[in-house]
Amino acid sequence: QTVVTQEPSLTVSPGGTVTLTCASSTGAVTSGYYPNWFQQKPGQAPRALIYSTSNKHSWTPARFSGSLLGGKAALTLSGVQPEDEAEYYCLLYYGGAQLVFGGGTKLTVL
Amino acid sequence: QVQLQESGPGLVKPSQTLSLTCTVSGGSISSGSYYWSWIRQPAGKGLEWIGRIYTSGSTNYNPSLKSRVTISVDTSKNQFSLKLSSVTAADTAVYYCARVRGSGWDGAWDYWGQGTLVTVSS
Repeated sequence: QTVVTQEPSLTVSPGGTVTLTCASSTGAVTSGYYPNWFQQKPGQAPRALIYSTSNKHSWTPARFSGSLLGGKAALTLSGVQPEDEAEYYCLLYYGGAQLVFGGGTKLTVL
Repeated sequence: QVQLQESGPGLVKPSQTLSLTCTVSGGSISSGSYYWSWIRQPAGKGLEWIGRIYTSGSTNYNPSLKSRVTISVDTSKNQFSLKLSSVTAADTAVYYCARVRGSGWDGAWDYWGQGTLVTVSS
């Protein structure tokens, strides 16, 4: 069974920088996994942030960026704001018509 | 602006079929290159992809749910639907519908519905 692993929780200070990662049980994550990133706040639907590794939506704040880092997909927040406190999920594509979400990272801004 | 809205029964009995509809507004479901997806989230847990349907009607399903899932589209009503058969308590979750822009697996997930809670209980 394919497992996508994210850090369960991270803490960052306001104005700081933090990187969330997304790893695959099958090996290194490449651009062919088409990583997507989503933000979810309590009681709300997920909101799309990044698609195909590093592409931003029109509504994605400039402080969010996506990349590949050390065999994982990564989401970096630079200049973190209090409103960035949320759960973040990655989504990877696996051949054979399968999409798998990571378990989520709870980001605390403190 | 495109909006998606899930609807359907909030309570389903075990062994029965869960049926949900997602109504799309602000754009035609049959125009452009889009996949229309279903995702679910049990309380306090992560997201699980259920499946998707393309504008043309072709479908893909999560292998773990494939035997029980059917996704269909009704272009006349600008809606797409989810049916999940033989439900158990493990199917209790918030169900979301979402749009994915593009014709392949590299599409951009953009708009999501607000979600609807479905509880499986007798």
